[in-house]
Amino acid sequence: NAGVMQNPRHLVRRRGQEARLRCSPMKGHSHVYWYRQLPEEGLKFMVYLQKENIIDESGMPKERFSAEFPKEGPSILRIQQVVRGDSAAYFCASSPTKDSYEQYFGPGTRLTVT
Amino acid sequence: GNSVTQMEGPVTLSEEAFLTINCTYTATGYPSLFWYVQYPGEGLQLLLKATKADDKGSNKGFEATYRKETTSFHLEKGSVQVSDSAVYFCALTNTGTASKLTFGTGTRLQVTL
Repeated sequence: NAGVMQNPRHLVRRRGQEARLRCSPMKGHSHVYWYRQLPEEGLKFMVYLQKENIIDESGMPKERFSAEFPKEGPSILRIQQVVRGDSAAYFCASSPTKDSYEQYFGPGTRLTVT
Repeated sequence: GNSVTQMEGPVTLSEEAFLTINCTYTATGYPSLFWYVQYPGEGLQLLLKATKADDKGSNKGFEATYRKETTSFHLEKGSVQVSDSAVYFCALTNTGTASKLTFGTGTRLQVTL
């Protein structure tokens, strides 16, 4: 049973470009979470999605950031017009049901904005 | 709202020393508590968990007891190894619902020979 997969593992973007991060949850998991880890800090919740629905986006910046989890395919975190402050590690986690409290993390995507 | 406070690092220990990393929390209701470990360049791995008061989570020689009266979940290990060098995160979530994890800022552990 493959774990949570994220790609790319490393992404370099110039200021003003778009960054697109992908997350494939574990097989059978329909709940996906995105977290951001700034250098030397803990993880901060961004958004929680189920298939085709955003359940909680209270941690996501109002501008430039969006997330989706379509019926088919991976979850996507999109950052438009990136700025240097977006440089961070972005982690995706998944869980199997709404009653499960365990989340399984992917290896992360390290975004560098130059 | 929920919050987690853990001791600042780095913590430097010699191999076979005793480890304690303090963690206290503030939460509504009855949260579930977790310790995650992050090795260099990797994602987070669940180390142990406890879902109700007085539960003890344990794994790989690490232990933590859910203390409701002191709102604490301190991580302990009797004899650390060099391979335990990593960043340790205390976290909580509201029990019974799929909801976001709230993390502490992490404690870096460095174990030397």
